[in-house]
Amino acid sequence: EAHLVESGGGLVQPGGSLRLSCGASGFSFSDYEMNWVRQAPGKGLEWLSYISISGNTLFYADSVKGRFTISRDNAKSSLYLQMNSLRADDTAVYYCVRVSEWVAIDSWGQGTLVTVSS
Amino acid sequence: DIQMTQSPSSLSASVGDRVTLTCRASEGVRTWLAWYQQKPGKAPKLLIYAASSLQRGVPSRFSGSGSGTDFTLTISSLQPEDSATYYCQQANSFPRTFGQGTKLEIK
Repeated sequence: EAHLVESGGGLVQPGGSLRLSCGASGFSFSDYEMNWVRQAPGKGLEWLSYISISGNTLFYADSVKGRFTISRDNAKSSLYLQMNSLRADDTAVYYCVRVSEWVAIDSWGQGTLVTVSS
Repeated sequence: DIQMTQSPSSLSASVGDRVTLTCRASEGVRTWLAWYQQKPGKAPKLLIYAASSLQRGVPSRFSGSGSGTDFTLTISSLQPEDSATYYCQQANSFPRTFGQGTKLEIK
């Protein structure tokens, strides 16, 4: 069974940076595309970013384009999200998610909370 | 970007009811549409992929239909544990987008 564990969340000041990590186990990480999804407190789900199996193809939501960078290390079965120029509206639970062959999100981490506040 | 609109925003129904939730895309997404269930404090869970395929382990009372721009998620006989928020997501193009969610409560 796929298992995803996010880490790296916490409190950061506006304008600051944070790097989220996601460790994968229970499946062959290098065989799957991965995404990041977030959820602001009391709000709905927001898709953020996609990375291909090789890491060569990336996509971002307009809300984070130019500020966030997705990356992966297949040798370490790990996914990352570098977040720069953080704003108050980036406050959310960030989920690392696996994309199935049918392009649906079939596995979610437990999420890590990022709070942007002074 | 493709906008996903779900209706209703909230719904209250009784155990045993047949419930239908709707998701509409601002442009066609073929059948690249998934449905997720999220309970408070938990990560979402995949219910339906490719518009109508039931994810392994999901009860058969859940079903999905539609293609193009109009999709439905149907719960044939509502159970108490189905109280949750339901989201649709299109996977036809980037950026992937979610609907705003439908909160389903049990009377």
